[in-house]
Formats: sequence, C-alpha cells, structure tokens
Amino acid sequence: EDQVTQSPEALRLQEGESSSLNCSYTVSGLRGLFWYRQDPGKGPEFLFTLYSAGEEKEKERLKATLTKKESFLHITAPKPEDSATYLCAVQEPERLVFGKGTKLTVNP
Amino acid sequence: GAGVSQSPSNKVTEKGKDVELRCDPISGHTALYWYRQSLGQGLEFLIYFQGNSAPDKSGLPSDRFSAERTGGSVSTLTIQRTQQEDSAVYLCASSLGQLFQETQYFGPGTRLLVL
Repeated sequence: EDQVTQSPEALRLQEGESSSLNCSYTVSGLRGLFWYRQDPGKGPEFLFTLYSAGEEKEKERLKATLTKKESFLHITAPKPEDSATYLCAVQEPERLVFGKGTKLTVNP
Repeated sequence: GAGVSQSPSNKVTEKGKDVELRCDPISGHTALYWYRQSLGQGLEFLIYFQGNSAPDKSGLPSDRFSAERTGGSVSTLTIQRTQQEDSAVYLCASSLGQLFQETQYFGPGTRLLVL
C-alpha cells in the first residue's frame, strides 16, 4: 500500500536556526508531491508542488526539494511566524495521500 | 477573492442524529474534494466531484456517509446516524480543473463532535 511518512513528528527550533523536514513516500510512478502549511483551526494552505526528481522550489524562507523516494522542506533562518504543521501529500490517480505532518515550533 | 467556505464551522450532535455539512467552493472551480482529519491523524480523503459527478465513492468510511453536489457548485456531506468515531474536522477543497493535478484550496473545515 502506498504510504507517506513525515519526520520528525515535532520539531522545536530557535529563531534563526535552520533545519529540514522530511517526507518519504512509496508510490509507483509519482505524479506530484505537494507541501501544505496548516495553522491551528484552519485548513491547509498550499506551498509547493514538485513533479520530478531534482526539482526545487523556493518561497521566502522555505525551499522544497524532491528525490525519487523523498522530499525535503528546508527552512532557512526561521521566524516565530513559521510555526505551523507542515503537511506533505502524494498524488495518486484518484486521490491525494497525506502524511501526518510535522509540527514546527519556532521560539523567539 | 473569496476562498472556499464551509458551514457550520462547529457542530455538536448526539449519537444517532443525522448531520449535514456544506461546502461552497471557489467560483469557477470544477473539482471539489472532501477530507476528514481526526486528532493525531493525517488527512483522510473521502470523495471528489468533477462537476456534479462523483465517480468513486469507495473512500467514504461507511454507507452512513453520502455526498452530493448540485449546479457544479455547492456540495453537502451528509452523515446519517452519527457515531462517536465520526468526530473529526471535515475539510473541503476545490481546484480549478484537472483532478488532483491542480492546486487544491482548502476551506477552514467543520469541526464535528458527536456526543
């Protein structure tokens, strides 16, 4: 069965302390990998879509990369407002399969 | 512009009652999706619509769950004879066109609590 696994489950960083979140997946024939940000009490907010190994996309302090088996979300010099749960999802023909997310807390 | 809206934002009901959840997608979005998010779990895909059609209902947890979409716009998710395990946040999303190939925009969700 196709799976999406995110690690770590939770991450605490100091403001300015860069780190990476991991999303590993097992799916035959990746059609697309999505990153979303979810704040408490809100729906997920789209960040990036990646389609092929080697692809990279950036937005402010975030950069997403993709290999054949995993994706990383790199956070450079994070700020407290980056605190949220980051969700990864893999596209299948008839659905998106989401991981359980990484809860990021950035302390000032 | 207006995003995806859902109502009610919160719903508390008694076990055995029926509930109806509503989703208003972004205007012009032809694809609409329903998800369920339980505490500590990832988003669980339930069903999608392309226009008014839902070709695959196998993601619905049980036959107590049903969904419909009318006029290519508003969708309702109905849960009959609610059970405590139905307690979760129900999220709706919409996208512009081709299913699952376009960015999905999510609503704020309906938080359902079954007592």
